[in-house]
Amino acid sequence: DVKVTQSSRYLVKRTGEKVFLECVQDMDHENMFWYRQDPGLGLRLIYFSYDVKMKEKGDIPEGYSVSREKKERFSLILESASTNQTSMYLCASSGDEQFFGPGTRLTVL
Amino acid sequence: GENVEQHPSTLSVQEGDSAVIKCTYSDSASNYFPWYKQELGKGPQLIIDIRSNVGEKKDQRIAVTLNKTAKHFSLHITETQPEDSAVYFCAASYGSGGSYIPTFGRGTSLIVHP
Repeated sequence: DVKVTQSSRYLVKRTGEKVFLECVQDMDHENMFWYRQDPGLGLRLIYFSYDVKMKEKGDIPEGYSVSREKKERFSLILESASTNQTSMYLCASSGDEQFFGPGTRLTVL
Repeated sequence: GENVEQHPSTLSVQEGDSAVIKCTYSDSASNYFPWYKQELGKGPQLIIDIRSNVGEKKDQRIAVTLNKTAKHFSLHITETQPEDSAVYFCAASYGSGGSYIPTFGRGTSLIVHP
């Protein structure tokens, strides 16, 4: 059973904290993605990576960075969390089909 | 870049009725159109997709149609059941295999009343 796993389902952080969201896939996919999902706005692409150590900005990269040191792992980093980054974060990987993780609901107080 | 519009944002139907969700896209180069279902507390899951060389595709109670000239595509669910209640997303992209970067619609919340 193919899987994309995310390190946390729920996370609460304070403004200014550094936040790490981890994603791991077991399908040997080259492409991995980070999205945020907000009500009425759908899925918006933050960053994606098509290979180890490679990254590309998506539609809303401001305030975020990513790291891809190993093929199976793609991390999203909020250097200094702000309240407007409270959201659902979804990781995905793709071969012929895009597979999503269960999401991390991040609340920044 | 690509822009995908999805309507309606909310759709309420009685069990057994049909449901139709419509999407339009802007980039005529797009050639791959997946549909995702997101159940509460879960990530989106691919339920059906269509490529630009095909006009219609069916899988049991769900079907997708594509009109490349008009740049729109639709999801049809027949004989709806309560377990069809979820948020549905359409997407459009250029490319195939592992190289595509989809642009998503804003989602449709489908509610099927027993």
